[in-house]
Amino acid sequence: SQQGEEDPQALSIQEGENATMNCSYKTSINNLQWYRQNSGRGLVHLILIRSNEREKHSGRLRVTLDTSKKSSSLLITASRAADTASYFCATDADNAGNMLTFGGGTRLMVKP
Amino acid sequence: GAGVSQSPSNKVTEKGKDVELRCDPISGHTALYWYRQRLGQGLEFLIYFQGNSAPDKSGLPSDRFSAERTGESVSTLTIQRTQQEDSAVYLCASSLGVGFGGELFFGEGSRLTVL
Repeated sequence: SQQGEEDPQALSIQEGENATMNCSYKTSINNLQWYRQNSGRGLVHLILIRSNEREKHSGRLRVTLDTSKKSSSLLITASRAADTASYFCATDADNAGNMLTFGGGTRLMVKP
Repeated sequence: GAGVSQSPSNKVTEKGKDVELRCDPISGHTALYWYRQRLGQGLEFLIYFQGNSAPDKSGLPSDRFSAERTGESVSTLTIQRTQQEDSAVYLCASSLGVGFGGELFFGEGSRLTVL
């Protein structure tokens, strides 16, 4: 089974609304990352949050991490049609030698 | 080029044939990963190379799958006697390696279709 599991699997919102995606994982981690994938393309790194951090911001992105609940959330504020993509969390387990394990992803559709 | 380069971008083959997929990582990146992504699914880890250490092959699904890396450069993923269930996008990624934060840089993938 996946180390990271995203929730929901699919999300459809109107442009201008906020989008929240959640990720749960199973083992202790060094850091958690979020990636974006446009249809038919490779993944692009969005943001990394370390295990000793609780919140991080990057432009319209806000990531939180709760290590006690082994969960993270990605918030995209004021969404745009161009934000339509799949979003994946990836964890760097502290016993996995820097290998990243990805979840199943959330498919976000932002309607103009 | 400046990014991770994969070839071929698309490969259609017949069941039972062998295929070889190539990945050119970013220069200076010591870590290289192969992942498999089936349609509409997440990324399935296949194999991980870190410098001159023995690769982590724990994700390879069967002995039909193998991968090599020449030093800290090109890697090839070989699938022997392909099966229809091997149809997927094979993604390669590289990073600066342990101690550098772990951000992965992905190629555009090689889409494999086994008829």
